[in-house]
Amino acid sequence: DVKVTQSSRYLVKRTGEKVFLECVQDMDHENMFWYRQDPGLGLRLIYFSYDVKMKEKGDIPEGYSVSREKKERFSLILESASTNQTSMYLCASSLGQKGNTIYFGEGSWLTVV
Amino acid sequence: QKEVEQNSGPLSVPEGAIASLNCTYSDRGSQSFFWYRQYSGKSPELIMSIYSNGDKEDGRFTAQLNKASQYVSLLIRDSQPSDSATYLCAVDLGGYNKLIFGAGTRLAVHP
Repeated sequence: DVKVTQSSRYLVKRTGEKVFLECVQDMDHENMFWYRQDPGLGLRLIYFSYDVKMKEKGDIPEGYSVSREKKERFSLILESASTNQTSMYLCASSLGQKGNTIYFGEGSWLTVV
Repeated sequence: QKEVEQNSGPLSVPEGAIASLNCTYSDRGSQSFFWYRQYSGKSPELIMSIYSNGDKEDGRFTAQLNKASQYVSLLIRDSQPSDSATYLCAVDLGGYNKLIFGAGTRLAVHP
């Protein structure tokens, strides 16, 4: 079974803090993704990566950065957390070919106060 | 801006009925289409994928794709209370499996 693990499930951070969300997959997938999900807005893509050290902006990259130093790990970084970044963050991964299934982690609920 | 549109619902159906969920997309270049189910507080899980025009059946689920009309639907036969969830339509624009999601339709199946 594919396993996408998000190490932090529930976090509460203060405005201005630097926040790291970690994601690890165990299926040697080339592609990894970070989405955020908000009520009524569905899932919105923040960043994705198709290879180690490669990254591409998604639809809402502002206020976020990412790091992919190893194939299995994709980190989302909030340089200076703000209250409008309170959300559920979902990591996902897939094989490189077009049309392949994307597998999601369990999600990280971040509250910024 | 490439878009995927779904009726937010809730769609309420009695147990045993057919639930019909619909989705439209704006990009004619879209090549792969997916339906995910998401229970409250959980992450999305894949139910169906469809790549060519027509119907694709898997158990109680049937996905239908009409590329000319830019329309994807999901039928759930013999709906059960356990099918109550939000159903997300997703479209792969091609390359890197980058999916664009609709906002989801909430389905409520009542006994």
